[in-house]
Amino acid sequence: AQRVTQPEKLLSVFKGAPVELKCNYSYSGSPELFWYVQYSRQRLQLLLRHISRESIKGFTADLNKGETSFHLKKPFAQEEDSAMYYCALLFGNEKLTFGTGTRLTIIP
Amino acid sequence: EAGVAQSPRYKIIEKRQSVAFWCNPISGHATLYWYQQILGQGPKLLIQFQNNGVVDDSQLPKDRFSAERLKGVDSTLKIQPAKLEDSAVYLCASRLNSGANVLTFGAGSRLTVL
Repeated sequence: AQRVTQPEKLLSVFKGAPVELKCNYSYSGSPELFWYVQYSRQRLQLLLRHISRESIKGFTADLNKGETSFHLKKPFAQEEDSAMYYCALLFGNEKLTFGTGTRLTIIP
Repeated sequence: EAGVAQSPRYKIIEKRQSVAFWCNPISGHATLYWYQQILGQGPKLLIQFQNNGVVDDSQLPKDRFSAERLKGVDSTLKIQPAKLEDSAVYLCASRLNSGANVLTFGAGSRLTVL
């Protein structure tokens, strides 16, 4: 079955330190993966997707098919990065399944 | 462009009562999703529409939940009768059928069942 695993429910990082939010997936087909973010009192919104291979707000994520991972990284954390982050897998009839999320807190 | 609209934003009911949530997707978005997000969990897909047809409702508890999108535009999700475990945020999202597979989410409807 298709599954997305985010092993860390909570992650605290000092401002200026590197950030890595882990995401692993299980899917037998060709995956399409996304990171969605929810800032305090805001809607769930797309942060980035692996197809575009872009850097958004300093974040990048590389799809590693061998390790079935799609970890989110940023070299230097900023206070405004504090939010809830969800990894998501698109499969089948455009069904999007989410991980349980990681709450990232940046310590000033 | 206008975003995905949802109402009501908050609803408190007693168990065994009924409730309905409404969603108006972005104009032109053919695909509409309803997700349930229980506190501390990720969003879980309840039902997916393509225009006015159901694509997937495998995780919809059909004994108490129903949803429709009669004209292929706005949609209603109903719960009858509600249980305590239905307390959650109900998220609506929509997607264009062409281009990037990106979902746009509404603000959600927070349901509390007492």
